[in-house]
Amino acid sequence: QVQLKETGPGLVQPTQTLSITCTVSGFSLTSYYMQWVRQTPGKGLEWMGFIRSGGSTEYNSEFKSRLSISRDTSKNQVFLKMNSLKTEDTGVYYCARGLHYFDYWGQGVMVTVSS
Amino acid sequence: DVQMTQSLSYLAASPGESVSISCKASKSISNYLAWYQQKPGEAYKLLIYSGSTLQSGTPSRFSGSGSGTDFTLTIRSLEPEDFGLYYCQQYYEKPYTFGAGTKLELK
Repeated sequence: QVQLKETGPGLVQPTQTLSITCTVSGFSLTSYYMQWVRQTPGKGLEWMGFIRSGGSTEYNSEFKSRLSISRDTSKNQVFLKMNSLKTEDTGVYYCARGLHYFDYWGQGVMVTVSS
Repeated sequence: DVQMTQSLSYLAASPGESVSISCKASKSISNYLAWYQQKPGEAYKLLIYSGSTLQSGTPSRFSGSGSGTDFTLTIRSLEPEDFGLYYCQQYYEKPYTFGAGTKLELK
C-alpha cells in the first residue's frame, strides 16, 4: 500500500538549514508528482513546492529563494532543504503525492526553529 | 494569490445530524477545489476533488458542491469517525492555497 513518511531534525537553530526526507513506498516517484506542504501557527497550511515525475521542480515564490526539492528514485526518497530558517518557520512539514490535489500524505514532521 | 476562506472555525454537531462546511475563494476557481479531513495522529485524507468528485474510499454520506467562488462540503448523517478538521484547497492556480480549516466537534 501507499505510504509516505517524513523524517527530520526536530529542532533547528535560526539561520541554519532544514533538511527533511520523505521516504515513500507502494508507488514509483517517476510516476507521480511529490509535494511539500507545511502547517505553521502563523499561516496555517502552505503549499511549498513540488518535484515532477520527470524530476523538474517548481516552488512557491514565498520560499523560492531558500527552498530546494530533490529526490533519489533509487531510494524512493524526496528531499526538502530550506535555508535561512526563522522562528516563523516552526511548524509541521508534510510530503504528499499528487499533481494538483494530494491523495496521500505523510503524517508530518514537527520542526521547531529556536536557539 | 487566491485566498480561501472557511467562515466557520468550529462547528458542533451530534451523530446522525447533517452538516455543511463552507469555503469561499477570493476569485473564481471554476471547480478546482479539494476537501481534506484531518484527525489527530492521522495523515490528511483527501475526500473530494474537482469540487464534487468523491475520492475512492470516501463514504457516500460526503458530498461536495459549488463552482466559481462558493463551495460546500456536506456530511449527511454524521458518524462518530467524521469528527475532526476539514480543509479546502484550490488548485486553479499556483500557489495552491488552503482554507484555515473548520473543526467539526461533537456536541
